[in-house]
Amino acid sequence: NAGVTQTPKFRILKIGQSMTLQCTQDMNHNYMYWYRQDPGMGLKLIYYSVGAGITDKGEVPNGYNVSRSTTEDFPLRLELAAPSQTSVYFCASSYSWGDNEQFFGPGTRLTVL
Amino acid sequence: GQSLEQPSEVTAVEGAIVQINCTYQTSGFYGLSWYQQHDGGAPTFLSYNALDGLEETGRFSSFLSRSDSYGYLLLQELQMKDSASYFCAVNSGNTPLVFGKGTRLSVIA
Repeated sequence: NAGVTQTPKFRILKIGQSMTLQCTQDMNHNYMYWYRQDPGMGLKLIYYSVGAGITDKGEVPNGYNVSRSTTEDFPLRLELAAPSQTSVYFCASSYSWGDNEQFFGPGTRLTVL
Repeated sequence: GQSLEQPSEVTAVEGAIVQINCTYQTSGFYGLSWYQQHDGGAPTFLSYNALDGLEETGRFSSFLSRSDSYGYLLLQELQMKDSASYFCAVNSGNTPLVFGKGTRLSVIA
């Protein structure tokens, strides 16, 4: 199993540009999450999904959108990128709410200039 | 709301024992998790405590006191490779995990 994969690994955007961060998991997990992590800080939840077709906002959803058309994929869309969105983005998945082992992807390092 | 408090930095000597504390406030509580993250890497799961007491996994142990809303991660026989950030996270049962800000552990020779 590849686990959770994310693409791209690195990206530089100009202010106002848009992009999609890809996330795929092959563990048949229902629950998927997007976090951002600023330098020296903890993980802040952006969006999460409890299954295909179901998504919900986390702590910091503004400026982002998600979709979940399949169990495997959970892309994160940035519209009109701003410098405040410079961060490391992690996608994660888990089998259920109660299963506390979240599996994380390697992250996408995004810089907005 | 939910909040977690853990020290921002801890330094310990190679071969020693270090304890990283975590206190939490939450409206509902199912358990406390710990994650490790090396610089430039992704968080990885270490342990989960749902019941009071100590859980041991090799050199790492995790403790929970539900009555005190407190837990800690204990690392024994410290190695240089243990230098990393450690995050506690609360499972409140009806929301995704809420992570603390992390404790940066530096192991020195």
